[in-house]
Amino acid sequence: KAGVTQTPRYLIKTRGQQVTLSCSPISGHRSVSWYQQTPGQGLQFLFEYFSETQRNKGNFPGRFSGRQFSNSRSEMNVSTLELGDSALYLCASSPGTSTFEQFFGPGTRLTVL
Amino acid sequence: DAKTTQPPSMDCAEGRAANLPCNHSTISGNEYVYWYRQIHSQGPQYIIHGLKNNETNEMASLIITEDRKSSTLILPHATLRDTAVYYCIVRVAGGSQGNLIFGKGTKLSVKP
Repeated sequence: KAGVTQTPRYLIKTRGQQVTLSCSPISGHRSVSWYQQTPGQGLQFLFEYFSETQRNKGNFPGRFSGRQFSNSRSEMNVSTLELGDSALYLCASSPGTSTFEQFFGPGTRLTVL
Repeated sequence: DAKTTQPPSMDCAEGRAANLPCNHSTISGNEYVYWYRQIHSQGPQYIIHGLKNNETNEMASLIITEDRKSSTLILPHATLRDTAVYYCIVRVAGGSQGNLIFGKGTKLSVKP
């Protein structure tokens, strides 16, 4: 089975721009979660989507949004980028029911200049 | 905030057992203990989980104290490739799976 894939792997943007990151979960997985990792704050949960619905949300401003498509692929969008949004954005998938293991992708490294 | 406390760093000699402790004194009866690790610049990797019994899989063993207030992850024969940050997480199972709360973890350095 192919793992979780994220595109692009690296991205450079400037302040004020917006960005869209993509995540393709493992085939058959219905839950996709997004995390932000920075040296200062560590790994922080952004949101989770299950069957195209946002099921859980972390404590991030409204500039961070996401969606999930009928094939379970997910995108997250960050608008009006700030320098502090520079981070590794990780996507994780799971079957979505009672399961213990989340499978993480390699992440997208976003740099905001 | 994370519900767990872990030492910030540990060293281990290659080939020896690595014992990584975790305190979770406020754990609830329906919360499981999960362990993940993150090798530099990669996504976290699930290792093992448990509720109250000791668990073992091909990667590691998990020992949970009888009062469930602490646990130890054991890598029986550490290799250089086990150098990583190890995260201990407690949460309920079922329902929303996404919101893992990662603390700062333990940076394990396996040395030759």
